[in-house]
Parts: sequence; C-alpha cells; structure tokens
Amino acid sequence: SQQGEEDPQALSIQEGENATMNCSYKTSINNLQWYRQNSGRGLVHLILIRSNEREKHSGRLRVTLDTSKKSSSLLITASRAADTASYFCATAKAAGNKLTFGGGTRVLVKP
Amino acid sequence: DAGVTQSPTHLIKTRGQQVTLRCSPKSGHDTVSWYQQALGQGPQFIFQYYEEEERQRGNFPDRFSGHQFPNYSSELNVNALLLGDSALYLCASSPGTIPQETQYFGPGTRLLVL
Repeated sequence: SQQGEEDPQALSIQEGENATMNCSYKTSINNLQWYRQNSGRGLVHLILIRSNEREKHSGRLRVTLDTSKKSSSLLITASRAADTASYFCATAKAAGNKLTFGGGTRVLVKP
Repeated sequence: DAGVTQSPTHLIKTRGQQVTLRCSPKSGHDTVSWYQQALGQGPQFIFQYYEEEERQRGNFPDRFSGHQFPNYSSELNVNALLLGDSALYLCASSPGTIPQETQYFGPGTRLLVL
C-alpha cells in the first residue's frame, strides 16, 4: 500500500511559473525524499530532507517538511519545459531502509 | 562510472510463465532493492538484498523471489505470471555497510503479461 498521498495528481503550468506539489504520509519517518520520473523511465533523486529539518533548497527546488502534520511540499521555481515529468515523494523509517512512495504528481510545463 | 543497469529493457510473457530480471548495482554499492511500479502508480517495494541475503521484504507473494550474487548483482524471479504482474520493475542500489538514505535507480524493465 502507498504510504503517502500526493496532491494534486496532475498540474499544468506555463514555463516560468512556479509549481507546488504536496505529499502527506502516515507513520513516523527518518527522512523524506523527492524523485522525478520522465515518461515511465527510472527515478532520479532530487532532494532529501531529514525528519529534524524543516526546509531545504537545491537549485530551483525548495522542500519543506512538517512532521507534526506529516506532510511535505516541493516547490519548483521558474519552471522549464524540461521539468515536465512525474514527481514522487518517498519516505523511509530509517537510513538505508525501504522507500515507501506516494502516487505521484504529473507535471506538464507548457512552453 | 556506470550507474545502475537493468536487463532486459522490455519483456513480453504469457500468463503462467516465469520471468527473470537482472540488475547490476552502481559501482561501490552492495545493497540492491527491487520495486514494482504499475501504470499510473508509485513504485512499491518488493524486497532488498544485502550480503546475498534478503534483508527486507514488502507485501508480495512468494511467487516473487530474488537472489544476490557475490559481485552484488541481483535477479528478480517471478513465477506463475498473472496479468496483474504487468508493470515497470525498478532496481535501486545503495551502499549497505554505511546506511545511506539515497537510493540510485536503474532505468527499469517493462514487463507485459498477456
């Protein structure tokens, strides 16, 4: 079963706009990660945030984590057509442990 | 430095058949995890291998089995295939001796069961 739920399921924006997607999970975690997947191919790791962290940045990505609400958000700023992909959040109860994924958000960035 | 590789890329089988998928981990990684991703859904954890032993297992029937070789490569075997086994099968590797949060994924094997 899926640990997390992602919202929205799909998102369509214009190039240059920001894209925000949310992830909720059910149990306590060690860390939460965001992955990108293009056209049903392999997953690319984007960013990891640990349970004792509240916010992290990597380039145009900003991730927040609220452990009291068991939720996280991923913000992609100044989106590009190349950002078109599915984005998944995944949680782990311990480092090196199995990842439990959400259902994903499909993002379309129109040029 | 080669990343995670998987073979074959695509596979078509019929119900009741058996299939073997292969994975070579990223250089320096000794832990391999397998995930099943049905169309339109997120990946689901099947099992993880470390030191040639199954270390963790998800909620999958015994028809799903695996193996890890001394060179850390791994196989996923599925017996008595069902239509519902059609999915993208992803392999991920990480260094197990120093638990690392990030797992590196291969491109996947797309299995179609007819």
